[in-house]
Amino acid sequence: GEDVEQSLFLSVREGDSSVINCTYTDSSSTYLYWYKQEPGAGLQLLTYIFSNMDMKQDQRLTVLLNKKDKHLSLRIADTQTGDSAIYFCAERGGNTGKLIFGQGTTLQVKP
Amino acid sequence: ETGVTQSPTHLIKTRGQQVTLRCSSQSGHNTVSWYQQALGQGPQFIFQYYREEENGRGNFPPRFSGLQFPNYSSELNVNALELDDSALYLCASSLDREAYGYTFGSGTRLTVV
Repeated sequence: GEDVEQSLFLSVREGDSSVINCTYTDSSSTYLYWYKQEPGAGLQLLTYIFSNMDMKQDQRLTVLLNKKDKHLSLRIADTQTGDSAIYFCAERGGNTGKLIFGQGTTLQVKP
Repeated sequence: ETGVTQSPTHLIKTRGQQVTLRCSSQSGHNTVSWYQQALGQGPQFIFQYYREEENGRGNFPPRFSGLQFPNYSSELNVNALELDDSALYLCASSLDREAYGYTFGSGTRLTVV
């Protein structure tokens, strides 16, 4: 089956690191994504990782992929109040162009 | 280079009515996907269009239909609206159906009363 799960809420202090976790079920996933959604807005692509990679770093963002456990994480270093948003994990299955999204993790950054 | 634009931004319809939502793809993109995002949920895949043909469909009833035009813009039509159709409808375009990069529009907020 196709399912993506995320914890619903994370609260951190400004300047700390945030780690948002995601698990997925489709072993044929080719790409995995992290999207950010601010209130009333669409989805902003933060980063993606190809399924044959273990890690990808992009400035303050680090993505770790454990394909054996089907676990994906997003680490945000030096979290800022502007990082407060909902973060969605998504997988792209096999040969389809369909993205399967998790429910989203609300990140609250306290000053 | 323009991104993905959707219209209208907000819409209120009555149960039983029909609605058409529009999407203009990012320049050079020939593939469009539509997603429904209910409040507090992640987006759910409705369908994808590639070069004017449907190229995959999610678990949505036939009253959800779409079109893609020669300029690769797209429409989502929903007939016989139900209260549960109230959601944010997102359009995403990609360079082609094999591409891994998707650009999302800001969405149309549909409220069915």
